[in-house]
Amino acid sequence: GENVEQHPSTLSVQEGDSAVIKCTYSDSASNYFPWYKQELGKRPQLIIDIRSNVGEKKDQRIAVTLNKTAKHFSLHITETQPEDSAVYFCAATSGGGADGLTFGKGTHLIIQP
Amino acid sequence: NAGVTQTPKFQVLKTGQSMTLQCAQDMNHNSMYWYRQDPGMGLRLIYYSASEGTTDKGEVPNGYNVSRLNKREFSLRLESAAPSQTSVYFCASSATRTEQYFGPGTRLTVT
Repeated sequence: GENVEQHPSTLSVQEGDSAVIKCTYSDSASNYFPWYKQELGKRPQLIIDIRSNVGEKKDQRIAVTLNKTAKHFSLHITETQPEDSAVYFCAATSGGGADGLTFGKGTHLIIQP
Repeated sequence: NAGVTQTPKFQVLKTGQSMTLQCAQDMNHNSMYWYRQDPGMGLRLIYYSASEGTTDKGEVPNGYNVSRLNKREFSLRLESAAPSQTSVYFCASSATRTEQYFGPGTRLTVT
């Protein structure tokens, strides 16, 4: 089955700086890669996703890049703000989402004032 | 729309007891999922139902059963709870090939 590795497990950045979280996946058939943000005690919420026919996608301060050849994808957050502090999870699936997601173990992003 | 709802929010069980976690969605989604979340482990798929009338095992199905009661409802049953099943359980739903929406979670403790 699919295996998703996520790094780093904790990331501390100064407010206003950029943050990058990286994930690798093992199944070359994977074709859908979402990123979720989870605040303490809350449910995961989708912040951005990318499909395998696209190399990059942006939404305001958030971007995701995908390298299918190397089987890795990354989340980029620019101009970080205190409300960006949370745990971020990457995920992958080969069923377009219908078969369930395989998640990375998460990155705790801390924004230092 | 309430989105995805789960009951109960919290539950404490003794080892060997049984219980059913309930999940319902009002978004007319075809697919529904059960995940568990343990500290440092991310979310792991227990079972999923790609469409009404079908269910399939995920990564960690042992000790659990599921029922897709209708298009709206997907329940998770623990027949004989064990301490290793202490976790936060999330239900999710999605339309075909789109994002998954998560419920608020059920925090289960097995003593």
